[in-house]
Amino acid sequence: LAKTTQPISMDSYEGQEVNITCSHNNIATNDYITWYQQFPSQGPRFIIQGYKTKVTNEVASLFIPADRKSSTLSLPRVSLSDTAVYYCLVGGVNQGGKLIFGQGTELSVKP
Amino acid sequence: DAGVIQSPRHEVTEMGQEVTLRCKPISGHDYLFWYRQTMMRGLELLIYFNNNVPIDDSGMPEDRFSAKMPNASFSTLKIQPSEPRDSAVYFCASSQRQESSSPLHFGNGTRLTVT
Repeated sequence: LAKTTQPISMDSYEGQEVNITCSHNNIATNDYITWYQQFPSQGPRFIIQGYKTKVTNEVASLFIPADRKSSTLSLPRVSLSDTAVYYCLVGGVNQGGKLIFGQGTELSVKP
Repeated sequence: DAGVIQSPRHEVTEMGQEVTLRCKPISGHDYLFWYRQTMMRGLELLIYFNNNVPIDDSGMPEDRFSAKMPNASFSTLKIQPSEPRDSAVYFCASSQRQESSSPLHFGNGTRLTVT
């Protein structure tokens, strides 16, 4: 399973765009890249997933370069409620993999 | 869909007691996962099931931990005897398929405190 590396923490202010990059150099051909958001006292929540290029939903955008060795989660115009830990996860349980989370990125949004 | 349901939300017990955590996955999901989260170690995968069969339990810390899935709608994680170092938040998650395109759906966890 591809190991992931993310910044441990990031700070931002309300209204700014936040970009969190995850490195996954050993990503396999069939692996999707999935991002989760976790608030205190809650389980991680799926926010976006992609395989290549760009994916956008009502919450975020996900940018994946051609080599797929990294991905960037983009949160437009963050608010205080976006303060959370963000995890990127690569791969699945197929082909003997395990769904192992890295340390995540703790995003703090300030007024 | 009610999502993944875990019970209890909080559990406080004394060292040496047996603890049972419960999980109801989303209907139709073939995979069920148990995770443990602490400040020091983050989210750790303990065990996962496919169609009620345990596939990988290499993350289970020791023999005091056991997990079962008697049917597609119910799983338990048991700790016997419990120890203070077992204090953590335990999450259950389910997914529809094995491919990585099938995301995990987590419950809200059980916060276990062992005194």
